[in-house]
Formats: sequence, C-alpha cells, structure tokens
Amino acid sequence: GENVEQHPSTLSVQEGDSAVIKCTYSDSASNYFPWYKQELGKRPQLIIDIRSNVGEKKDQRIAVTLNKTAKHFSLHITETQPEDSAVYFCAASDPLGQNFVFGPGTRLSVLP
Amino acid sequence: GAVVSQHPSWVICKSGTSVKIECRSLDFQATTMFWYRQFPKQSLMLMATSNEGSKATYEQGVEKDKFLINHASLTLSTLTVTSAHPEDSSFYICSARKAQGLYGYTFGSGTRLTVV
Repeated sequence: GENVEQHPSTLSVQEGDSAVIKCTYSDSASNYFPWYKQELGKRPQLIIDIRSNVGEKKDQRIAVTLNKTAKHFSLHITETQPEDSAVYFCAASDPLGQNFVFGPGTRLSVLP
Repeated sequence: GAVVSQHPSWVICKSGTSVKIECRSLDFQATTMFWYRQFPKQSLMLMATSNEGSKATYEQGVEKDKFLINHASLTLSTLTVTSAHPEDSSFYICSARKAQGLYGYTFGSGTRLTVV
C-alpha cells in the first residue's frame, strides 16, 4: 500500500521568512496530492492540492511542487505570518480516492 | 459548498458504555465517507471507509465489532464506539468527498472522546 513520509516533523521560522515542507510517497499510481492545515483542536483544512499532470501550482503565498519521477512533492510558504502556525499534513491519493494516505505532519511555528 | 457537520464535538463517557458520532454532508451527497482517528500530536489514521448502502471497509487492526459504522443515507454516516475503554479516548474525525474524481476531501469538525 501507499506510504507517505513527511519532513521535517517540526519547523520554526522567523516571521517573513519562507517555510518548506517535503513529502515522499511510494505508490507510483498515486496522482492526487493535497495539503491540509490543522490548527489545534480543529478540523484539517485543504489549503492547496496538485495533480500529477502538473508540476507546480501557486496560490498567493502558498505553492506546491511535484516531482513524479522522484515521487516527492513539497509545500512552500513565503512571507510567513504568525497565523501560518499550525500542523500541516500532506497526503497522496489514487484517482478514485480509495487509497488516501496522510503524512505524519509538520508542526510549523512562525516566530514574531 | 462541501460542508461536513460532525457531532457531538466532544463527549465524555464511562467505561463500558457506547457512544455514537454522526457525520453529515450538508450541501452535497456523499456516497463515501471516511472515519479517522487522531491521537495527540499524531497524524490522521484511517479507520474505515463508509459506503452508502453497504458494509464499511475497515483498515487492518481496526475492530469492526467495536467501531460500528452505518451509512444509511447519502448524507449521513455514524460511528458507534461500543463498550468504550479509556484507550479509545481520541479525536475522531470524518471526511467526505463531494463527487467522484479528484476533489479534495472535506473534514468534519471532529469529536473528542474521553472515556473515564
């Protein structure tokens, strides 16, 4: 089955700096890769996603890149703000969403 | 669109009792819903896939007789934790997908279960 790894497990950055979180997956059949942000005690919120026919996607301060050959994808947050502090989960899924696996999460702290 | 409601948001129960958690898709029909369990500072672990009108599919290591799932309609799935024990205390969260194809999953607000 699919296995998703995520690094780093914790990340602290100064406000205004960039943050990068990396994930790898094992199943070459996976072709949908969402990123979720979860604040303490709250539900995960989808922040950006990418499909395997795209190498990069950007939405304001957030971008995701995908290297399907190497089976890894990354989340990039620029100009970080304190409200970006949360746990971020990557995930990988097959086309039908029948094999949806989350990474272990990255706790991001943005220091003022 | 794509709102998923889950309740209760928190519940405290005594050991040996059962607790039912509801997950509703409010503005769309969800033929498939997913139940996750999340321990503190850990990732979401899929427990089971709930299919409308049929039996749920459980992940390895999840006791189907302990975690009863019913998906009686296209907008409602329930998870019942039977004979709860303190080790069942956790954050349970459901998710649903709006339609077939490559859409992001929408999560419910989660239920924090504490068994005393």
